[in-house]
Amino acid sequence: EAGVAQSPRYKIIEKRQSVAFWCNPISGHATLYWYQQILGQGPKLLIQFQNNGVVDDSQLPKDRFSAERLKGVDSTLKIQPAKLEDSAVYLCASRRPGLAGGSTDTQYFGPGTRLTVL
Amino acid sequence: GQQVMQIPQYQHVQEGEDFTTYCNSSTTLSNIQWYKQRPGGHPVFLIQLVKSGEVKKQKRLTFQFGEAKKNSSLHITATQTTDVGTYFCAGTNDYKLSFGAGTTVTVRA
Repeated sequence: EAGVAQSPRYKIIEKRQSVAFWCNPISGHATLYWYQQILGQGPKLLIQFQNNGVVDDSQLPKDRFSAERLKGVDSTLKIQPAKLEDSAVYLCASRRPGLAGGSTDTQYFGPGTRLTVL
Repeated sequence: GQQVMQIPQYQHVQEGEDFTTYCNSSTTLSNIQWYKQRPGGHPVFLIQLVKSGEVKKQKRLTFQFGEAKKNSSLHITATQTTDVGTYFCAGTNDYKLSFGAGTTVTVRA
């Protein structure tokens, strides 16, 4: 089974520029997550999709961050404009069908995109 | 909102020794998960605990969920160099998963 794919793996931009990240979840996984992991911290949930609908985006800085999952498969996360404090690893994760509960809460993480904002 | 705290932040262990890392939540959790992240890698799922007082073992790793479902622990026996990395707990409450800041483990050979 192929894992969660993300691209690019690394990105360096200057502040105020825009950037986009792409995620392809594990086939058949209905739930997709975007996390921000700042160096030395745990992953922080930015947004959660169930198929192509948003379940939770309460921690997404909506003035500059946006995300979509139009066909319920791939997803993109965009930052516009970027700030210095956005430097982090952006992790995408997916989970098996179903919103939550039981023994199927395992999230499978992609390799992440390391963003450096100068 | 829900907060998950982990202690210690850093754990320096002599190879062959045992250690324990702890996870505490400000709210009652429906389940707790543990992940391991190697340096430069991404979090990898280790285990999920669901029941109050549940204990699960994976070789040298023992995971425990507190009776009140607000805390958890990970105990590693006979630490090896392959145990190096950051161990995160993540608690689920109201369908939301919150990660702790992790315990970063280094091993002295």
